[in-house]
Amino acid sequence: DAGVTQSPTHLIKTRGQQVTLRCSPKSGHDTVSWYQQALGQGPQFIFQYYEEEERQRGNFPDRFSGHQFPNYSSELNVNALLLGDSALYLCASSLNGPDYGYTFGSGTRLTVV
Amino acid sequence: RKEVEQDPGPFNVPEGATVAFNCTYSNSASQSFFWYRQDCRKEPKLLMSVYSSGNEDGRFTAQLNRASQYISLLIRDSKLSDSATYLCVVNNRGNTGKLIFGQGTTLQVKP
Repeated sequence: DAGVTQSPTHLIKTRGQQVTLRCSPKSGHDTVSWYQQALGQGPQFIFQYYEEEERQRGNFPDRFSGHQFPNYSSELNVNALLLGDSALYLCASSLNGPDYGYTFGSGTRLTVV
Repeated sequence: RKEVEQDPGPFNVPEGATVAFNCTYSNSASQSFFWYRQDCRKEPKLLMSVYSSGNEDGRFTAQLNRASQYISLLIRDSKLSDSATYLCVVNNRGNTGKLIFGQGTTLQVKP
């Protein structure tokens, strides 16, 4: 049973660059949420995608954007990277509806230098 | 004020000890409550949901007090393998909503 798959696992970028992170949800899930976890902090909600639309957004600037594809997979794009964007980026998938639960991927660790 | 607040610890306890973690949340309309466990440099994993009546799963007991907006987790007979960060999590809109995480409480169980 394939869980949530994220790629790449690690990434090093330079300030000002752009990055794209990818997520394949758990089989049968149709909703994808992205979280940013800075060192020593809990994950912070970035946004959620359902039916290829951004359904909810957290308190993140427009530099953070995303996309969901017809096969439910998703991308997170971050433009004009800042040092403060260094974090673990987590993707969580779920099935839309009552509380069916969320499954997290192992994350992408982004380092901005 | 953070939406979900936890004491970050660390809590250092000997094997076999009983340890309790607490958490408060600010939104009285919150619907669902969870404890997640996160091992170092890994993804969070659901430990247990928390219900108003309280619930138990083996050595773990979770309690919810909606009036006080307070959630707790009790771990009995601590094992070395319980060493991890425990995240208190709140969800305001069922599965269409975002999970709101606390900062996490670090537990270190020592031999």
